[in-house]
Amino acid sequence: QVQLQQWGAGLLKPSETLSLTCAVYGGSFTDYYWTWVRQPPGKGLEWIGEIKHSGSTKYNPSLKSRVTVSLDTSKNQFSLRLTSVTPADTAAYYCARVSDYWWFDPWGQGTLVTVSA
Amino acid sequence: NFMLTQPPSVSESPGKTVTISCTRSSGSIATNYVQWYQQRPGSSPTTVIYEDNQRPSGVPDRFSGSIDSSSNSASLTISGLKTEDEADFHCQSYDTDNNVVFGGGTKLTVL
Repeated sequence: QVQLQQWGAGLLKPSETLSLTCAVYGGSFTDYYWTWVRQPPGKGLEWIGEIKHSGSTKYNPSLKSRVTVSLDTSKNQFSLRLTSVTPADTAAYYCARVSDYWWFDPWGQGTLVTVSA
Repeated sequence: NFMLTQPPSVSESPGKTVTISCTRSSGSIATNYVQWYQQRPGSSPTTVIYEDNQRPSGVPDRFSGSIDSSSNSASLTISGLKTEDEADFHCQSYDTDNNVVFGGGTKLTVL
């Protein structure tokens, strides 16, 4: 059974760079796409972007200028970088596997990232 | 691009049936599959319906999904409501460029 475990810094100052990593345990890493989703406190889910096993990426147009998703196939890990964060980037960030027709399952446990001066 | 609109909240009594709608703002709801996720407080989302009406293994058949082209909406129906069903539910689809779109989420209260 596939499990995703994520980690990264939980408290950032404005203008800093958010960095999170997600490790995939069990199942195939190269047969799927991998994605990041965030959820501001009390609000809905927002798709951030995805990466294919080839390394090809696709990002939410609203975040594209600040986002980089990368992968390390040797470690079965993929990562998220979001530059120049502001308090509006405060959210729970989730990693997930992308199955056919953009079905996200399973999800990582989530990381709450707070941006505050 | 398009938006998915859900009611902010719904409530119903245990044992009853509730339906949560997800309306697509432009383009046909039938063009791209819709997924539904359940999210309990403090937890990650989990799938209850994928590809419009498919249930992952382990999800009870009290949960069902459908689409209605006349209202351009997808629906999640939960029958025989239990208090443990209380959660936020999110619909999700994707556009022709494969950009992912989520609805705003619906809080289900079982009282």
